[in-house]
Parts: sequence; C-alpha cells; structure tokens
Amino acid sequence: AQKITQTQPGMFVQEKEAVTLDCTYDTSDPSYGLFWYKQPSSGEMIFLIYQGSYDQQNATEGRYSLNFQKARKSANLVISASQLGDSAMYFCAMRELSQGGSEKLVFGKGTKLTVNP
Amino acid sequence: GAGVSQSPSNKVTEKGKDVELRCDPISGHTALYWYRQRLGQGLEFLIYFQGNSAPDKSGLPSDRFSAERTGESVSTLTIQRTQQEDSAVYLCASSPRVSGYSYNEQFFGPGTRLTVL
Repeated sequence: AQKITQTQPGMFVQEKEAVTLDCTYDTSDPSYGLFWYKQPSSGEMIFLIYQGSYDQQNATEGRYSLNFQKARKSANLVISASQLGDSAMYFCAMRELSQGGSEKLVFGKGTKLTVNP
Repeated sequence: GAGVSQSPSNKVTEKGKDVELRCDPISGHTALYWYRQRLGQGLEFLIYFQGNSAPDKSGLPSDRFSAERTGESVSTLTIQRTQQEDSAVYLCASSPRVSGYSYNEQFFGPGTRLTVL
C-alpha cells in the first residue's frame, strides 16, 4: 500500500519569505504521481501542483515549485514570496491506480502553514 | 462554469439515524470520488464511480455505508444507523478522466460536515 508522510504539523513563515513543506512517500510502483493541495479554513481543496514519477524536471506553477528527489522519495513543496492568503492546511497526496480505472488519492495528514505579517 | 456542489453543507443527526449526502459533479465528468476527512486528518478514499458503476468500493468502512450514482450525474452517499465515529467532513470530487493525459485532476466540492450526536 502507498503511504504519504508529512512530518510538520505546523509551520510559520514571515510574509514575503520562502517556505518548504516536507513530504515523503512510499510506493513499490515504478509509475506514480504526486499532488499538493491547499485547504483554506473554508474547507475546499485547491489543487496546486503535480509531479509525475517520470517527469525529468521539477514541477513549477507560479509561486509553487516541487522539490522532487526520487531516490530519497521526497516531494517537498516550496512556496516563494509567501502571502497572508497562503495561510492554510497543505496536503501532499499520491495517486493510487486501482480497480476499474480508479485514480484515488492517498493523502498525508497535512501541514498547517501560518504566514505572519 | 459551475464547480462540484454538495448538499447539505452541514448535517447534525442523532446516533442510529440514516443520512443521505448528495454530490453534483461538474457536467461531463465521468469519474466521481467520495472521501472522508476526520478532524485534523487527511482525506480517506471511500468509493469511486466511473459513470454509474462503482468498480472501487475498497474504502467503504462498513456495510452501513453505500453510494449510488445516476448516470454521469448526481451521486448519493448513504450512511445507515450512524455512529459517533462517522462524524467527519465528507468530500466529493469529480474528474474528466481524459485518456492520454499524464493525470486527471480531481475537482473537489465544499464538503458536507456531518455531526453525529
């Protein structure tokens, strides 16, 4: 079974600084995908970034980048130039292929990020 | 266009009662997922629909949980004889399931917060 570990229950960062949120994973599948989602206090899940196991380059989306280290099985999220609106829960997830074409997501427990002014 | 909608947004029920939670996916999305999020935890997969069939029910925690879907439209998650441990936020996600893409993004609804007294 696949597993996602997020070891930082909470993180604090000053506005305009960069922050790294850790994620390690465990899988025996050679082909896999890793996702990061943001969950503000309102509760919706917002997709941020995706990294495929065969992607040659680290994924980037605006201020978000993924530090993908395959040998270490880590997929850390880097947020540059933090903004107050970045305060939220952040979840790392892995796609698990299953019956009938299911692409269910296996989530970590999340990291609560607080951006201080 | 409209996103994924869920109703009710909040549901308070007494232990032993049955509840029905509704999900309206994005029009045209053939894949639909239900997840559960307990307080302070990540999301746990419950069930996957492709069209109106459910090839992956592996996450349903007990036979008190069931779900159905009408065509490629509305899905209902039913919990019978609710228990206090069923208290959680239940999230629905839909996905276009486009073949040839490296991944199919899941678009999440706002969730239904279920409280069992």
